[in-house]
Amino acid sequence: RKEVEQDPGPFNVPEGATVAFNCTYSNSASQSFFWYRQDCRKEPKLLMSVYSSGNEDGRFTAQLNRASQYISLLIRDSKLSDSATYLCVVSRPNSGYSTLTFGKGTMLLVSP
Amino acid sequence: EAQVTQNPRYLITVTGKKLTVTCSQNMNHEYMSWYRQDPGLGLRQIYYSMNVEVTDKGDVPEGYKVSRKEKRNFPLILESPSPNQTSLYFCASGALPGLLVSYEQYFGPGTRLTVT
Repeated sequence: RKEVEQDPGPFNVPEGATVAFNCTYSNSASQSFFWYRQDCRKEPKLLMSVYSSGNEDGRFTAQLNRASQYISLLIRDSKLSDSATYLCVVSRPNSGYSTLTFGKGTMLLVSP
Repeated sequence: EAQVTQNPRYLITVTGKKLTVTCSQNMNHEYMSWYRQDPGLGLRQIYYSMNVEVTDKGDVPEGYKVSRKEKRNFPLILESPSPNQTSLYFCASGALPGLLVSYEQYFGPGTRLTVT
């Protein structure tokens, strides 16, 4: 099982649609979870952290299921500007510290 | 403005010609890291640094060197670049991670390197 796995997509959705991204991770010791957004040929930027109880930021909702080692991101009322690649990011213990492992990303294309 | 800067942004070079990609951050972060991003492979960590004079290998360190003589700077050195090092490179910085907890990383704009 790969450390962090995501459906590569692309997900093609119309404006206003609801879209969900899934991510699974293999290291049960992982404690920190994030969703990053990356626009084409640009740097990744933090979209939101993912907390155990689930969290919401406007149209975005992130959920974590530790038992299943599964993370999700839900985007409601999609906008054209949401078109990007969404990276699932998970920490893992490494030599006394933790480091981040990035999924390969899921591409989202929102059309008019 | 809080930021991570990288230079150059674009570089075309030839096999074997030593090059350095600079990275600087103004957020007083202890942690800095270099990644490369390739189609189908995602972001992979090359080297990271927990503080000045403390560096360690990431997942793909072969062919690269780094140094951390100052807190704000973390240059990436390719002593003898080869075509398989053609990639998009990102520098990142962030608060020092704990044993189990990691924090947001702030990325530079990227350096697109082509080695012919």
